[in-house]
Amino acid sequence: QVKLLQSGAALVKPGASVKMSCKASGYTFTDYWVSWVKQSHGKSLEWIGEIYPNSGATNFNEKFKGKATLTVDKSTSTAYMELSRLTSEDSAIYYCTRGALCWGQGVMVTVSS
Amino acid sequence: DIVLTQAPLSVSVTPGESASISCRSSKSLLSSKGITSLYWYLQRPGKSPQLLIYQMSNLASGVPDRFSSSGSETDFTLKISKVETEDVGVYYCGHRLEYPLTFGSGTKLEIK
Repeated sequence: QVKLLQSGAALVKPGASVKMSCKASGYTFTDYWVSWVKQSHGKSLEWIGEIYPNSGATNFNEKFKGKATLTVDKSTSTAYMELSRLTSEDSAIYYCTRGALCWGQGVMVTVSS
Repeated sequence: DIVLTQAPLSVSVTPGESASISCRSSKSLLSSKGITSLYWYLQRPGKSPQLLIYQMSNLASGVPDRFSSSGSETDFTLKISKVETEDVGVYYCGHRLEYPLTFGSGTKLEIK
């Protein structure tokens, strides 16, 4: 069945960057957009952006342009998101999704010195 | 950006009774293809969001038919009939009409 397996939790220092992964299985990776969604503690969901693995095309929420970089590795069916210049506002759980139906288990990112 | 406003903030329900959650959009969610791009999700405690309803009124695979959704172009209602303890969590509406995708602020369902 369709699965998205995300990398483990990360503790990073302010000003640093973090790169997380989302490994897809159970479907043809290059056929579907992969989105990323942020959920700050106890808060709602924010759509960050999406990438089309076949071409690398991306669409972003303006709010996250310059903050998030989306890439893929087609050879391993893995999508990546890198967040740069981290602040405490970036502490959150980050989900990858395939459409509305399939969600990864989430990656908790904590930004702290 | 499209703003989705949910009400109530929380609801407490006795098992076996019904619950309704409202979602109001700042813009029509009816696409040029005649599809209403409104989705409902349930996030159980400590879990990832789970799709319940897609395109306003279609039940996602494996979702019990106790869940139903209806609405117009801007006003939507999720109804849960015969609430069970497993229905506890936060319910979100979301749209996929245009960029950026946005979500409502969530409605927390608790059991009395």
